[in-house]
Amino acid sequence: QLQLQESGPGLVKPSETLSLTCTVSGGSVSSGSYYWGWIRQPPGKGLEWIGTISYSGSTYYSPSLKSRVTISVDTSKNHFSLKLTSVTAADTAVYYCARRSSAVAVAAVLWGQGTLVTVSS
Amino acid sequence: QSALTQPASVSGSPGQSVTISCTGTSSDVGAYNYVSWYQQHPGKAPKLMIYDVSNRPSGVSNRFSGSKSGNTASLTISGLQAEDEADYYCSSYTSSSTYVFGTGTKVTVL
Repeated sequence: QLQLQESGPGLVKPSETLSLTCTVSGGSVSSGSYYWGWIRQPPGKGLEWIGTISYSGSTYYSPSLKSRVTISVDTSKNHFSLKLTSVTAADTAVYYCARRSSAVAVAAVLWGQGTLVTVSS
Repeated sequence: QSALTQPASVSGSPGQSVTISCTGTSSDVGAYNYVSWYQQHPGKAPKLMIYDVSNRPSGVSNRFSGSKSGNTASLTISGLQAEDEADYYCSSYTSSSTYVFGTGTKVTVL
């Protein structure tokens, strides 16, 4: 069955760029009719939707993060990525990668296990 | 876009029913029948429990039900069980083609 696994640095310095990758196993990131995205959760706080990329390459981002976020897909490596620029301590969170079908209008159906990213000097 | 508003906590005894509200605006909850609910146990990824206001994914207990009226959606858990103790988040599609989550509700089984 398809699984998602986040990877990337657990510690990022303020003002630098946070980069995470979500590896897709048991399936293909280029499968049609799916949306791939990212959601985060600061420690002890609620969920925040970051954005998503569709099977056709269209991207949709949270208005509050839009100026700093890029989500992309690399079909040759069967993974998709998140880049968040100019990070501050407020970006410290568990970052989840996720997938949903185009047939279901939800933020996510399948989730990765999450990875904690701390922003600190 | 602002987070949808949920009560911080609700509680009930085993076998009872609890209802969690989720209040948004005419640009999200009130605009579409695309409200979903997630259950999250500590240290775990969220799990989809309800989509399209009232539909349950395969494998989700029929003790979970959803509804919506105007800008407010609700999740009801019937026959409360110890395993239902968790955090619950609502989510809605928005008129900006984005998604927004609720503030989260902690359900305690007394």
